[in-house]
Amino acid sequence: EVQLQESGPGLVKPSQSLSLTCSVTGYSITSNYWGWIRKFPGNKMEWMGYISYSGSTSYNPSLKSRISITRDTSKNQFFLQLNSVTTEDTATYYCARPRGYYGRYYFDYWGQGVMVTVSS
Amino acid sequence: DIQMTQSPASLSASLGETVTIECRASEDIYSNLAWYQQKPGNSPQLLIYDANSLADGVPSRFSGSGSGTQYSLKINSLQSEDVASYFCQQYNNYPPTFGAGTKLELK
Repeated sequence: EVQLQESGPGLVKPSQSLSLTCSVTGYSITSNYWGWIRKFPGNKMEWMGYISYSGSTSYNPSLKSRISITRDTSKNQFFLQLNSVTTEDTATYYCARPRGYYGRYYFDYWGQGVMVTVSS
Repeated sequence: DIQMTQSPASLSASLGETVTIECRASEDIYSNLAWYQQKPGNSPQLLIYDANSLADGVPSRFSGSGSGTQYSLKINSLQSEDVASYFCQQYNNYPPTFGAGTKLELK
């Protein structure tokens, strides 16, 4: 069974970088796209970006140049880095597996989520 | 970005009742719509994709319908385990966007 598990610090200071890891079991990250989604207090959800089976990436334009998604295929993990965070980046962060085709993806497996608070 | 307007924001229903939740897209999304269920403290679970296809393991009392800009999720014969939040997601246009969610409670 496909399982995803997020890990990382739950508290980040403003202007610093948020770094999270998604560990995948039951499926190779070289065989699919993998993504990050966040849910803000108040329940708004935002797709952040994908990393493909080949390592190429696609990001939400709203995050501009602040976001980077990378991977370590030897550990079957992929990573989120979000730079210059503000309190508005306080959210629960989920990693998820996209399914679909031609860039049109829904998400069939999700991690449990990690709550990240941005505060000094 | 495509805006997804979901209604109602909250809903109270009795066991055995039929419940309908709706999502309206700001433009045609050609049935590229998914529905998710999220119980408190849990991760979202895929219920429906392609507007009306039931995801693996999802009970048949859940169904999706719609086309163009208007879509709905129906839950027949509401069970206690259906108490959760539900949200829609369009994936026709980049970037994918989500509805604000509907919180379903038992009356």
